[in-house]
Amino acid sequence: GIQVEQSPPDLILQEGANSTLRCNFSDSVNNLQWFHQNPWGQLINLFYIPSGTKQNGRLSATTVATERYSLLYISSSQTTDSGVYFCAVDGSNTGKLIFGQGTTLQVKP
Amino acid sequence: DTEVTQTPKHLVMGMTNKKSLKCEQHMGHRAMYWYKQKAKKPPELMFVYSYEKLSINESVPSRFSPECPNSSLLNLHLHALQPEDSALYLCASSQEGEASSYNEQFFGPGTRLTVL
Repeated sequence: GIQVEQSPPDLILQEGANSTLRCNFSDSVNNLQWFHQNPWGQLINLFYIPSGTKQNGRLSATTVATERYSLLYISSSQTTDSGVYFCAVDGSNTGKLIFGQGTTLQVKP
Repeated sequence: DTEVTQTPKHLVMGMTNKKSLKCEQHMGHRAMYWYKQKAKKPPELMFVYSYEKLSINESVPSRFSPECPNSSLLNLHLHALQPEDSALYLCASSQEGEASSYNEQFFGPGTRLTVL
């Protein structure tokens, strides 16, 4: 099955810093999503981005499907950005999302 | 409205109990999902329903029994669970797009289950 690798596994930033999270996947995908999981467990949709580039406020994402990777950019980070960021892909067009192991982000004031 | 609701938020049950988790969406989505998430791990798919029919069962033990009574509701019936089944259970839904493709999934807040 498709493999999803996220890097880095952990990231500590000072408030105001920028960061880039990476997601590599081993095969072509129909769906790629980025999520932020808050401390209460809620998975918050950030981007639905099987290809191309999208921006939403301080966050943006780029997926290069031909090279099998996606990047999530966080600019001017805030303490509320802390949590776990997951990349998830569906490579079989069955609705089955395969999640990466996540990147745990801590933003310090 | 992109809301998926789940009840209860927390559930504690003994190994001989029978309980049910409930998930509801009113976005007109025709695909619904159950995922299980253990602590410090990513979510893992358990079941997929498409147009109220079970389309994927990821070899889940029979002590977990899903049910989709209508296009807005998804239940997960629990019976004779083990302590290792303690986890966060997440429900999600999505539209089905062209050529039966599955689109963006939206997740509920989850039910945190503890089996004693």
